[in-house]
Amino acid sequence: EVQLVESGGGLVQPGGSLRLSCAASGFTLSDYWMHWVRQAPGKGLVWVAQINHDGSATTYADSVKGRFTISRDNAKNTLYLQMNSLRAEDTAVYYCARDVYSVGDYWGQGTLVTVSS
Amino acid sequence: DVVMTQSPLSLPVTLGQPASISCRSSQSLVNSNGNTYLNWFQQRPGQSPRRLIYKVSNRDSGVPDRFSGSGSGSNFTLKISSVEAGDVGVYYCMQGTHWPPYTFGQGTNLEIK
Repeated sequence: EVQLVESGGGLVQPGGSLRLSCAASGFTLSDYWMHWVRQAPGKGLVWVAQINHDGSATTYADSVKGRFTISRDNAKNTLYLQMNSLRAEDTAVYYCARDVYSVGDYWGQGTLVTVSS
Repeated sequence: DVVMTQSPLSLPVTLGQPASISCRSSQSLVNSNGNTYLNWFQQRPGQSPRRLIYKVSNRDSGVPDRFSGSGSGSNFTLKISSVEAGDVGVYYCMQGTHWPPYTFGQGTNLEIK
């Protein structure tokens, strides 16, 4: 059974950092591109970042470029999102999602990031 | 960026009746290989999104055949042939042709009358 389990969310002050993890099981992570998508409270879905099979290519939404870094460790079956210089507007549930015919044939349960003083 | 516009944003439906959601993109979603990466997602209250349809009209595994997708170019539709109580939630279209960024519609809130 395919499973994606996010962790690492929490409360952080503006300007702070956080690293999210997404543990994959039930499939070979290295066979797939992966994404992070976020959803602010009561709002819609917003794509954040993408990474290719081996981590050699990444792309980002303009709103996070230069502050967030997506990476992966295929040997550990884990996807990461390093978030620096966090702002109040980064407050959201962050989902990892697998790419088959584009975003999201499988999604994790999400992890909540709250940026507040 | 490609803008995805859904209508209606709120959709009250009687149980057993059909429902239809429209999604329009600000430019054609056909890529140079002739593929159209338009997906539909369902997000039930308190749950993660679940993909229903990929590449316009292909149902994901386990999705009931009550759900169907159609369209071409920049106009797309998600139809539910007979709405059930479990269909309540927010539905999103998303384009994956012209990235980055991948872009979602605003969402359509389906509720039971």
